[in-house]
Amino acid sequence: KAGVTQTPRYLIKTRGQQVTLSCSPISGHRSVSWYQQTPGQGLQFLFEYFSETQRNKGNFPGRFSGRQFSNSRSEMNVSTLELGDSALYLCASSLTGYGEKLFFGSGTQLSVL
Amino acid sequence: GENVEQHPSTLSVQEGDSAVIKCTYSDSASNYFPWYKQELGKGPQLIIDIRSNVGEKKDQRIAVTLNKTAKHFSLHITETQPEDSAVYFCAATDSWGKLQFGAGTQVVVTP
Repeated sequence: KAGVTQTPRYLIKTRGQQVTLSCSPISGHRSVSWYQQTPGQGLQFLFEYFSETQRNKGNFPGRFSGRQFSNSRSEMNVSTLELGDSALYLCASSLTGYGEKLFFGSGTQLSVL
Repeated sequence: GENVEQHPSTLSVQEGDSAVIKCTYSDSASNYFPWYKQELGKGPQLIIDIRSNVGEKKDQRIAVTLNKTAKHFSLHITETQPEDSAVYFCAATDSWGKLQFGAGTQVVVTP
C-alpha cells in the first residue's frame, strides 16, 4: 500500500511570491491534514479536510489556504510569502481524521529568501 | 486551547537501558494521546496511542501510561537499541479534535 506522497520535496521561493504544495493520501483515507514544522515553533496544525470540506483550522493567517479534491488529494497554498514561512510542511492522512492515527508524508521543505 | 509540555528535550541512554519521556496537557476534555517518532528526513510515524478511558497500553518494548487526574502521560521504551535514536513527540487532541504536539525529545542511544 503506497504511503502519503508530497510534492515537491524542496522549494525555494522569494518573499511576496505564492506557492502550492501537493499531497496524495493513502488510498481510502478521506481525511488530510497539514502541519507546519519549524525548529522554533515545532509542529503546528494548519487545517484538516475531510471529503472536500474543511473540518478544522489552526491559528494561521488567511495567507494559508487549502483544498481537497474528490479523489482526496489535497493542496495547500501560501500567498505573499514571508521569510518566516520557511518551514517543513507536512501532510498527514487518516481514515477518521480529528488527529487520530495519522500517516505523515516526508514533507515539503520550503525556503523563502 | 490545548497546551502540551514535553520533557526532557534531550535524552541520552546506553543501549539496553530504558528511556522515559513525560508530557503534560492542559485541556481536561482531551481524550486521545498519540506518540510519534521522527527520523531525520522523514515525517513523524505513529508508534503508539492511548485513549482517555485506558490507563496503560503496551506494544512490545514500548508502553504508554496516562494519568487523567494529573493530566500527564508518559512513553516508556525498554531495552533500547540504536535504531530507537530519533525525535519523539507526544500529542493530545483538544475538544475540537485538533492535535497539539509537544516540543519533542531527541533520544540518543549509544552502543
